[in-house]
Amino acid sequence: GAGVSQTPSNKVTEKGKYVELRCDPISGHTALYWYRQSLGQGPEFLIYFQGTGAADDSGLPNDRFFAVRPEGSVSTLKIQRTERGDSAVYLCASSLDSNNEQFFGPGTRLTVL
Amino acid sequence: EDQVTQSPEALRLQEGESSSLNCSYTVSGLRGLFWYRQDPGKGPEFLFTLYSAGEEKEKERLKATLTKKESFLHITAPKPEDSATYLCAVQAYHSGGGADGLTFGKGTHLIIQP
Repeated sequence: GAGVSQTPSNKVTEKGKYVELRCDPISGHTALYWYRQSLGQGPEFLIYFQGTGAADDSGLPNDRFFAVRPEGSVSTLKIQRTERGDSAVYLCASSLDSNNEQFFGPGTRLTVL
Repeated sequence: EDQVTQSPEALRLQEGESSSLNCSYTVSGLRGLFWYRQDPGKGPEFLFTLYSAGEEKEKERLKATLTKKESFLHITAPKPEDSATYLCAVQAYHSGGGADGLTFGKGTHLIIQP
């Protein structure tokens, strides 16, 4: 079956611009997670949705980062006033619920010039 | 704060040479320990979940074990296609009753030479 998909696969933007990254989870998965991975590091947790609500957003680095999941399926990670330090691979994962293994998408590589 | 430390950072083996990767962790209330494989330019691929000390799981040439402080990923007679970065992660119980996001280690970069 179809796995987690993320678009775009690559995004290059200029410092100060706004970007949106999209995640399509596996059908039927109620839990959705966003992570950020820098070169040579493991993924770093950002935010977790159970259904439509953000159950835990403690990993968001600051108020420039925001995520939504309005219908409990597709999620969008939004970054305002991008900075060069935001450059990383943004990974999305989904699971049946929070008590099951997470399956990751291929990621979106964000480059802020 | 949950912490995961993986060692070694990198490991180069000859094809057929068995070895083990280590994952040491500290967590407030372990719900599960996870092993993932990550190939360059791709997202992590799920391998195993371990829930309690003494548990073991196997898949092909890989075997994962868990104690109260660490987990090992044993690789037996590896092949070049086993080359990848292996990531260990822990998940704690959330204060609200659910489960937290995963806390990952930096990974072990494994190279198997033919």
